[in-house]
Amino acid sequence: AQTVTQSQPEMSVQEAETVTLSCTYDTSENNYYLFWYKQPPSRQMILVIRQEAYKQQNATENRFSVNFQKAAKSFSLKISDSQLGDTAMYFCAFMTPQGGSEKLVFGKGTKLTVNP
Amino acid sequence: GAVVSQHPSWVICKSGTSVKIECRSLDFQATTMFWYRQFPKQSLMLMATSNEGSKATYEQGVEKDKFLINHASLTLSTLTVTSAHPEDSSFYICSAWGMPDTQYFGPGTRLTVL
Repeated sequence: AQTVTQSQPEMSVQEAETVTLSCTYDTSENNYYLFWYKQPPSRQMILVIRQEAYKQQNATENRFSVNFQKAAKSFSLKISDSQLGDTAMYFCAFMTPQGGSEKLVFGKGTKLTVNP
Repeated sequence: GAVVSQHPSWVICKSGTSVKIECRSLDFQATTMFWYRQFPKQSLMLMATSNEGSKATYEQGVEKDKFLINHASLTLSTLTVTSAHPEDSSFYICSAWGMPDTQYFGPGTRLTVL
């Protein structure tokens, strides 16, 4: 069974600084997707970034980027120029394509606080 | 694009009554939707996978008769909590499978059973 581990329950960062959230996963599959979702205090789950395992290039979305190390099964999220609105729970998630009923496997989450 | 709505956002009901929660994909069609439950300060727990026009697939340990799921159209799935009890109080979140190969989440429904 696939598992996702987020080893940092809580982190904090000063506004405008950079922070990296870690995520490791375990799978025997070769084709899969990885995601980072953000859940702010409103509790709305928001997709931050998505990575296909077959792509060697790391995904980036504005201030958010990932360091995808397939051999090490590591998928960390870097947030640059942190903003107060980045304060949220961040969940790493894994999915294998199954032709229509793809389930997400979530990590336990990292609570990020951005301090002014 | 890829917006998912849920209704209601918050519901309070008496013990023993049933509550229906709606999940809609607003700007895309979703043959597959998912229902999650989230306890405070915890991750999302998948309850069931809802496929349009067929029976839902429930995760192990989820009571099918208590949590009724209907996916009647390509844009609507409903979760009905039957004979609700205080232990059913929780935050329920739906998601819809959309392109590109991603789950898009609704804003969630807070259920309080008195």
